[in-house]
Amino acid sequence: GAVVSQHPSWVICKSGTSVKIECRSLDFQATTMFWYRQFPKQSLMLMATSNEGSKATYEQGVEKDKFLINHASLTLSTLTVTSAHPEDSSFYICSAIKPGSPYEQYFGPGTRLTVT
Amino acid sequence: KQEVTQIPAALSVPEGENLVLNCSFTDSAIYNLQWFRQDPGKGLTSLLLIQSSQREQTSGRLNASLDKSSGRSTLYIAASQPGDSATYLCAVGFGGAQKLVFGQGTRLTINP
Repeated sequence: GAVVSQHPSWVICKSGTSVKIECRSLDFQATTMFWYRQFPKQSLMLMATSNEGSKATYEQGVEKDKFLINHASLTLSTLTVTSAHPEDSSFYICSAIKPGSPYEQYFGPGTRLTVT
Repeated sequence: KQEVTQIPAALSVPEGENLVLNCSFTDSAIYNLQWFRQDPGKGLTSLLLIQSSQREQTSGRLNASLDKSSGRSTLYIAASQPGDSATYLCAVGFGGAQKLVFGQGTRLTINP
């Protein structure tokens, strides 16, 4: 199998606070993970590529100081939304690449973030 | 820049019909194409993955085809059921960074 989990599944936070979202590969080690954002009725947009032991690579237009990504181990990547604002409210989904299947991404169930 | 387009944006059909969802992409230098299903408020369920060297993949009532030269893929759903109602997303993998680019999705409704 190739199971990816996310925690929390949903979170509500106040404007100006920070929130951390975890992405874990449960039954495999993932050297590469990806973070996506999905606004209501829109498709997924890649935010950044997370590589274990190195800095994340952010897509154009994504603020790296606002969306902090840490891939500290082969099974865990975290996304921290700093100083959150209502416009950051979205569905955040991570994915991971399983060794041996380098071009197939396994997706987590997503985290719904609401900033009030 | 790779762009992925899905047509139609929404589709409503009666139960039992066969249907086709379309996906097109602008850069044919892809290494795979994947079809996903997404239920409202949920994550993605992978349906079919077609490698760039393949022409089609089948799983149960689903069949996906890939024509790299024309930049197109289709997802065929046979004998549709109300449980097939969901948004279907097409995504192409390209580039050395293993990125996926998603289409906007087709929102499918199967009416009993």
